[in-house]
Amino acid sequence: QVQLVESGGGVVQPGRSLRLSCAASGFTFSFYGMHWVRQAPGKGLEWVAVIWYDGNKKYYADSVKGRFTISRDNSKNTLYLQMNSLRAEDTAVYYCARDDEVVAGGGYYFDYWGQGTLVTVSS
Amino acid sequence: DIQMTQSPSSLSASVGDRVTITCRASQNINNYLNWYQQKPGKAPKVLIYAASSLQSGVPSRFSGSGSGADFTLTITSLQPEDFATYYCQQSYSPFWTFGQGTKVEIK
Repeated sequence: QVQLVESGGGVVQPGRSLRLSCAASGFTFSFYGMHWVRQAPGKGLEWVAVIWYDGNKKYYADSVKGRFTISRDNSKNTLYLQMNSLRAEDTAVYYCARDDEVVAGGGYYFDYWGQGTLVTVSS
Repeated sequence: DIQMTQSPSSLSASVGDRVTITCRASQNINNYLNWYQQKPGKAPKVLIYAASSLQSGVPSRFSGSGSGADFTLTITSLQPEDFATYYCQQSYSPFWTFGQGTKVEIK
C-alpha cells in the first residue's frame, strides 16, 4: 500500500535551517509529482511547493520562494524540503503529498498524504 | 496566484441535515477543483476531484458541482462522522491554492 512518512521536524531558532524528508513506498515514486503542504497551528492548509516526477520543474508559494528548496532522489524514493532562513510564521505541520492526474481531464489532486511532521520556529 | 474563497467559514448543522459549501475562484479554473475533508490531528482526505468526480470509497452522500469559477460541495443527510473541516483546492495553476476552510460543527 502507498505510504508517505515524513521526518526531520523539530524546534529550530529563527534564521536557522532544517531539512525535511518524506520516504515513499508502495508505488513507483519516479512516476508522480510530489508536494509539500503545511498547516500552522489552528489554521488552514497552505500549499508550499511541488516538484515534477522527474525533478525538472519546481514551483513555490510566494511565502517560501527564495528560502525553501524542494528536491527528490528517485533512486531513494525520497522527497526533501530544505528550509533556510526560518521565521516564526513557518511554524506548522508539514505534510508531503502525492498528486495524481485526472485521466479524463480536470487537472490533478492529492491522492495520498503523509502523517505530517511538526516544525516549530522559536527562540 | 489564484485565490480560492469558501463560504461559510463555519456552520452548525444537525445529523440528517443537507449541507452546502461554496468555493469561488478568482478566475476561471475550468473543473480543476478538488474537495478535501480534514479531521483534527489527521491528514486531509480527498472527497471530490475534478469538481464532480467522487473518489473511490467516499460515501455517495457527498457530491460536487460547478465549473468555471463557482463550485459547490453538498452533503446530503449529514452523518456524525462528517463533522470536520472541508477545503477546496485548485490545480489549474502550477501554484496550487486552497480555500480557507469550512468547519462543520454539531448543532
